[in-house]
Amino acid sequence: SQQGEEDPQALSIQEGENATMNCSYKTSINNLQWYRQNSGRGLVHLILIRSNEREKHSGRLRVTLDTSKKSSSLLITASRAADTASYFCAILAYSSASKIIFGSGTRLSIRP
Amino acid sequence: SAVISQKPSRDICQRGTSLTIQCQVDSQVTMMFWYRQQPGQSLTLIATANQGSEATYESGFVIDKFPISRPNLTFSTLTVSNMSPEDSSIYLCSVVWNFQETQYFGPGTRLLVL
Repeated sequence: SQQGEEDPQALSIQEGENATMNCSYKTSINNLQWYRQNSGRGLVHLILIRSNEREKHSGRLRVTLDTSKKSSSLLITASRAADTASYFCAILAYSSASKIIFGSGTRLSIRP
Repeated sequence: SAVISQKPSRDICQRGTSLTIQCQVDSQVTMMFWYRQQPGQSLTLIATANQGSEATYESGFVIDKFPISRPNLTFSTLTVSNMSPEDSSIYLCSVVWNFQETQYFGPGTRLLVL
């Protein structure tokens, strides 16, 4: 399966702490994207990292990609209550005609 | 920025009936997709909606159960046919503009089948 696997499945941290979520996949990719979903609503695109990139930043988000290990991580620094959501990685494999395949997701809870 | 809308936002349906979900984009897109998200699960790709031709379905999904139309570059429909409680899910459309890499999602349609 090309699906990404994420760990942990669930993460609960104190507000202000950093949250790290990991994504592993099995195939060669063109890029990897991270999405956030609040309570069963639509998905919000967070960040895209290409296969030739190793790290990207966007505000409090930091994404790394290690294509040799077929893994990525999403770090949210200085977490806030509003960061409580489910986070999904999604991979765009080579020759996949723009189809992205989602990982299993991490449910992040921020305790006030 | 471009807007993706879905109708209905939610519905409660009786088993054996069918529901058609609409996805409307306010600008032309190159690709449109339909996903299903079962309760507590991740997203699973149902099919790629092809403009003017039959959709391309993923393994485990068939046209008789999930007929899809895409008459133009801004609109698509997904029908969930002969529904059963197992079809209770969130159905989401997504789009890609100008063959860009990023995929953007509609707000989803929450379906409950009794």
